[in-house]
Amino acid sequence: DTGVSQNPRHKITKRGQNVTFRCDPISEHNRLYWYRQTLGQGPEFLTYFQNEAQLEKSRLLSDRFSAERPKGSFSTLEIQRTEQGDSAMYLCASRSTGRNSPLHFGNGTRLTVT
Amino acid sequence: ILNVEQSPQSLHVQEGDSTNFTCSFPSSNFYALHWYRWETAKSPEALFVMTLNGDEKKKGRISATLNTKEGYSYLYIKGSQPEDSATYLCAFGNNAGNMLTFGGGTRLMVKP
Repeated sequence: DTGVSQNPRHKITKRGQNVTFRCDPISEHNRLYWYRQTLGQGPEFLTYFQNEAQLEKSRLLSDRFSAERPKGSFSTLEIQRTEQGDSAMYLCASRSTGRNSPLHFGNGTRLTVT
Repeated sequence: ILNVEQSPQSLHVQEGDSTNFTCSFPSSNFYALHWYRWETAKSPEALFVMTLNGDEKKKGRISATLNTKEGYSYLYIKGSQPEDSATYLCAFGNNAGNMLTFGGGTRLMVKP
């Protein structure tokens, strides 16, 4: 178990640019989540995958955000035409099946939009 | 949008003090309640996953209780230590429990 891995750890980009983040979950976990966290707030749900299927997506999420998990393993989160308000910590988590299974988080990608 | 509230937002205690925080969540369609500890520069780490009304869980000096009928959970820390300083997050799962909604967290600072 090597844990959940996220890349890059930090990303600085200019407003209007596109960015893509990657998450490698724990290999046997079929469920994968993306959250966004801003200072002083709890993690805000963005989207959820079960295997390769995207089963839930936050209604608050702009259509500039898209996520994929093409083969049910790693996932990518893309933000198009970034805005300063997108600056946040983007957290990925995975979990196994079962009601009692907790989320296992990666270290996050901190995005700064200038 | 599900309302998951944590109080207090922050807490300063002296080493050796015992403390507790609250997580309140919708009392309908309950599936699971999670607690996580998030230390600075690390990733959130699971403490407890609770599924049954009246559940009590314990891990060392930390324990949690669950009341699903009234929609709240308490996290207790006995004899706080400086290494307990962290943000404590709860997350509520409803229906099938796949979607977990987090509260805003309680930031605990323990002074030596």
